[in-house]
Amino acid sequence: QVQLVQSGAEVRRPGASVKVSCKTSGYTFIGYYLHWVRQAPGQGLQWMGWINPNNGGTKYAENFQGRVTITRDTSVNTAYMELTSLKSDDTGVYYCARTEYTTSLYADHWGQGTLVTVSS
Amino acid sequence: QSALTQPASVSGSPGQSITISCTGTSDDVGYYNYVSWFQQHPGKAPKLLIYDVRNRPSAVSSRFSGSKSGNTASLTISGLQAEDEADYYCCSYTGSSTLYVFGTGTRVTVL
Repeated sequence: QVQLVQSGAEVRRPGASVKVSCKTSGYTFIGYYLHWVRQAPGQGLQWMGWINPNNGGTKYAENFQGRVTITRDTSVNTAYMELTSLKSDDTGVYYCARTEYTTSLYADHWGQGTLVTVSS
Repeated sequence: QSALTQPASVSGSPGQSITISCTGTSDDVGYYNYVSWFQQHPGKAPKLLIYDVRNRPSAVSSRFSGSKSGNTASLTISGLQAEDEADYYCCSYTGSSTLYVFGTGTRVTVL
């Protein structure tokens, strides 16, 4: 069965960086885009970007441009999201989700979420 | 890119039907037929209910249906059940630098 399993919770100081992983299984890794979506505490969802695991191509949301980098390692079917220059309002749960296309958000499988806490 | 507008809360009694609206602009909801709806229970990941305005994944109950008129998309839940109590988010493709914009979210309460 399709599974997206994310790395565990992280605590970082303001100004630091964090890297979250999303390990996939149960499907052809290079056949689906992987998106990252953030949810601040008690808030809504915010799209951050996607990666095409087939060629490593990426697309980032304007709000995160310059601070976010999404990469992948096809040898372990895993995608990574790194966010730099962390601020307190980067605190939230970060999700990965897969889609077959980059238009329709047919995000049929999601990771369990990773809580990132930014605090001094 | 501003978030799509949803009502903060909607409520209904078991067995009733409710509709959640999702209002965007002519650059997103009004232009593209790429509106998705997600259900999220507390502490859980979102779950896809509807994609491409009105299509439902095979495992999703037929009690959930989607539609669109102009710049507003809608999700209807018929035969409301206790397990439908959750947060609901719409999402539209935008074609701009920020490819997707989500709605503000709607808390559904089953009375």
